[in-house]
Amino acid sequence: QSALTQPPSVSGSPGQSVTISCTGTSSDIGSYNHVSWYQQPPGTAPKVTIYEVSNRPSGVPDRFSGSKSGNTASLTISGLQAEDEADYYCSSYTTKSTWVFGGGTKLTVL
Amino acid sequence: EVQLVESGGGLVQPGGSLRLSCAASGFTFSSYWMHWVRQAPGKGLVWVSQTSPNGRTTIYADSVRGRFSISRDNAKNTLFLQMNSLSPEDTAVYYCSRGAGNYYGIDIWGQGTTVTVSS
Repeated sequence: QSALTQPPSVSGSPGQSVTISCTGTSSDIGSYNHVSWYQQPPGTAPKVTIYEVSNRPSGVPDRFSGSKSGNTASLTISGLQAEDEADYYCSSYTTKSTWVFGGGTKLTVL
Repeated sequence: EVQLVESGGGLVQPGGSLRLSCAASGFTFSSYWMHWVRQAPGKGLVWVSQTSPNGRTTIYADSVRGRFSISRDNAKNTLFLQMNSLSPEDTAVYYCSRGAGNYYGIDIWGQGTTVTVSS
């Protein structure tokens, strides 16, 4: 199972919006809405930020939103804040009943 | 408080074995799918394995199938990962994580335990 494709890095200034894409195949993202996004600040464990494409767990600011079209999912962070600086990973359930993660995207807040 | 605490990591020689443990607390362990996910130094997350609430269903990534074995002891609220025939490519932080109860995905992560395979 190949990893989902994410851009290695994105950046934005405080207050701006950034979007991170996550491209898979018809065997994962294209088949299910079981797409999650995880935030991982340096040296810490991941934390779920979005689940089932566009749902936010309690405690996650509404600045975080998710969407999906075909084989590509996206995470948008609006009103960027310094605390948003972290690595972000997408993941998807697959038709083989396994899970696959993206390669990760480093978000830099300028 | 929901908590997952991994242990058992360390330095092992290529070809060796190691058994990781994950102690769960703060939730009904026997009701949840559980996963192992690993992260090599400076690299991304890679899903390794998952097991059903009763432990009868186990699924593995291609890269570890036949070498790793996931199991659980619901009486002791503990998840295990038996790792055999280890190679340097298995060097990583191994995270124990909980499958979300109301959606498909992982909702809780442990802090991880480090496995280093080197001679």
